[in-house]
Amino acid sequence: DIQMTQSPSSVSASVGDRVTITCRASQDISSWVAWYQQKPGKAPNLLIYAASVLQSGVPSRFSGSGAGTDFTLTISSLQPEDFGTYYCQQAKSFPLTFGGGTKVEIK
Amino acid sequence: EVQLVQSGAEVKKPGESLKISCKGSGYNFTTNWLGWVRQMPGKGLEWMGIIYPGDSDTRDSPSFQGHVIISADKSISTAYLQWSSLKASDTAIYYCARVLHIAGGATDHFDYWGQGTLVTVSS
Repeated sequence: DIQMTQSPSSVSASVGDRVTITCRASQDISSWVAWYQQKPGKAPNLLIYAASVLQSGVPSRFSGSGAGTDFTLTISSLQPEDFGTYYCQQAKSFPLTFGGGTKVEIK
Repeated sequence: EVQLVQSGAEVKKPGESLKISCKGSGYNFTTNWLGWVRQMPGKGLEWMGIIYPGDSDTRDSPSFQGHVIISADKSISTAYLQWSSLKASDTAIYYCARVLHIAGGATDHFDYWGQGTLVTVSS
């Protein structure tokens, strides 16, 4: 199985800050990575797929980059509504696997 | 509008059976892969498997194989997740989610999610 390791596990930042979350795959997964945001009590929401493609309706302050084994989700200017837990997910091979999550809190 | 509507919360005893559902609407249910994801209390997301409702072809996670069955009835646009003998460790929220399709085909990422079904297994 491909392991997805996210860091940090949590981050606390102020409104307007730039926030970066990383995800490392245990083997080369090309660009087969997606990022999701999950708010408490809600289902996950797709933000980015194919490592860098912004899902329709997602604000442009979210961006993704990377290829191979190292990937990054960036929030260019953190907004109050961006709190929640963020997960990466690989779709290179079965079984599909998620990272452990990064909890984003607003200071 | 694409919607996935899941069945309501369940409380069961260990050893009991259960079948939960996920009804799709607003898109061609038959030709889109659909998956199931588990989230145990306070934990992360775990992929359980996906199904192609058109022919019920499935891809199952080895972690769940033999313990759950994923099925679908394309005539009523509904997918199912079922257990024959629940354990306390099955207590979790279960999400169904549609696989994102792009020009190149299915991506195995999930673009629409159901609201989740909370399953509680306790004696």
